[in-house]
Amino acid sequence: AQSVSQHNHHVILSEAASLELGCNYSYGGTVNLFWYVQYPGQHLQLLLKYFSGDPLVKGIKGFEAEFIKSKFSFNLRKPSVQWSDTAEYFCAVNAVDSNYQLIWGAGTKLIIKP
Amino acid sequence: DTGVSQNPRHKITKRGQNVTFRCDPISEHNRLYWYRQTLGQGPEFLTYFQNEAQLEKSRLLSDRFSAERPKGSFSTLEIQRTEQGDSAMYLCASSRGDSRALHFGNGTRLTVT
Repeated sequence: AQSVSQHNHHVILSEAASLELGCNYSYGGTVNLFWYVQYPGQHLQLLLKYFSGDPLVKGIKGFEAEFIKSKFSFNLRKPSVQWSDTAEYFCAVNAVDSNYQLIWGAGTKLIIKP
Repeated sequence: DTGVSQNPRHKITKRGQNVTFRCDPISEHNRLYWYRQTLGQGPEFLTYFQNEAQLEKSRLLSDRFSAERPKGSFSTLEIQRTEQGDSAMYLCASSRGDSRALHFGNGTRLTVT
């Protein structure tokens, strides 16, 4: 069965620090990969996605993620975080040859100290 | 794009009562999904529709849960004989065509007392 693991449940950083949030999945076939963000009091929003091609994908608000197939990973990065990045971040995976279900990680709560 | 709309935002009910939630997807989106999210977890898939057809239903979904999308536009999720374990955020999402990138609503938070 597919599963998604996010390594850190809580991350606290100061403004201007660099960010990397880990995401690993278990599935041997072709996948679509997503990062969603949920700001306090708001709905889940798509941050970035990988379907095929360049494994380094850029999303909104300066975020990027790198798909490393050999490591089954899709880590999220941002070189310099801002206070407004405080949110919960979810990694999700969809198996291309299966259905339209997304399998989600448990999320990482990111707090940026001003 | 007015976004995905869910009603109500909050619902408090007593155990054993029935509840119904509504989701209005983005108008040109043909796929509609229901997910459930509990504290400290990511969303769990419940079911999805392509137009009016319910194409998949999770094994998590007991017989007390039913979803409809009668005209391929809005959808309802009904929970009969609610239990305390049903307390969760119920999320609706929609997508267009073959896109697997979902647009979410704000969710309906259900509390069963």
